Amino acid sequence: AQTVTQSQPEMSVQEAETVTLSCTYDTSENNYYLFWYKQPPSRQMILVIRQEAYKQQNATENRFSVNFQKAAKSFSLKISDSQLGDTAMYFCAFMNPNTGFQKLVFGTGTRLLVSP
Amino acid sequence: DTEVTQTPKHLVMGMTNKKSLKCEQHMGHRAMYWYKQKAKKPPELMFVYSYEKLSINESVPSRFSPECPNSSLLNLHLHALQPEDSALYLCASSQDSSRNEQFFGPGTRLTVL
Repeated sequence: AQTVTQSQPEMSVQEAETVTLSCTYDTSENNYYLFWYKQPPSRQMILVIRQEAYKQQNATENRFSVNFQKAAKSFSLKISDSQLGDTAMYFCAFMNPNTGFQKLVFGTGTRLLVSP
Repeated sequence: DTEVTQTPKHLVMGMTNKKSLKCEQHMGHRAMYWYKQKAKKPPELMFVYSYEKLSINESVPSRFSPECPNSSLLNLHLHALQPEDSALYLCASSQDSSRNEQFFGPGTRLTVL
């Protein structure tokens, strides 16, 4: 079974700074998908960024980028120029498309606080 | 319309009550999901519907009964719940049951007294 580990329960960063959230996973699959989801306080969960394991290039979405290290099974999220609106719980998630269904396996989450 | 809506936002019920949660999407998505999320924990998958058929039941107790009347609507019927069932119930949908992004609703916060 796949597992996802987020070793940082909480992190703090000041506005405009850069922060990196860690995620490691365990799988024997070669083809899979990795995601970072953001859940702001009392607001709905949204997808931040997605990485397909067969793509070597790291995904980027505006201020958000990932460092995908397939051999090390590591998938960290870098947030550049942090904004107050980035305050949220961030979940790393794994999906094995070979099961035929989009079952997400979530990590335990990292609570990020961005302060002025 | 890129929204998943859920009603009600909040629900308080007794252990003998019967209630239902409703989820709706109009994005043409053919896969819909129910998750349970306890405070400060990640979502836990409960059920997956694909093309209106139940595809996954993650060993959820029978006091939770899902229903998918059509491709846009997903219900979760609740009966004889326990206080430990109190949680945020999230609905999500995706384009089909392959590798597409899941869109989440805002959730229903359920309290069982």
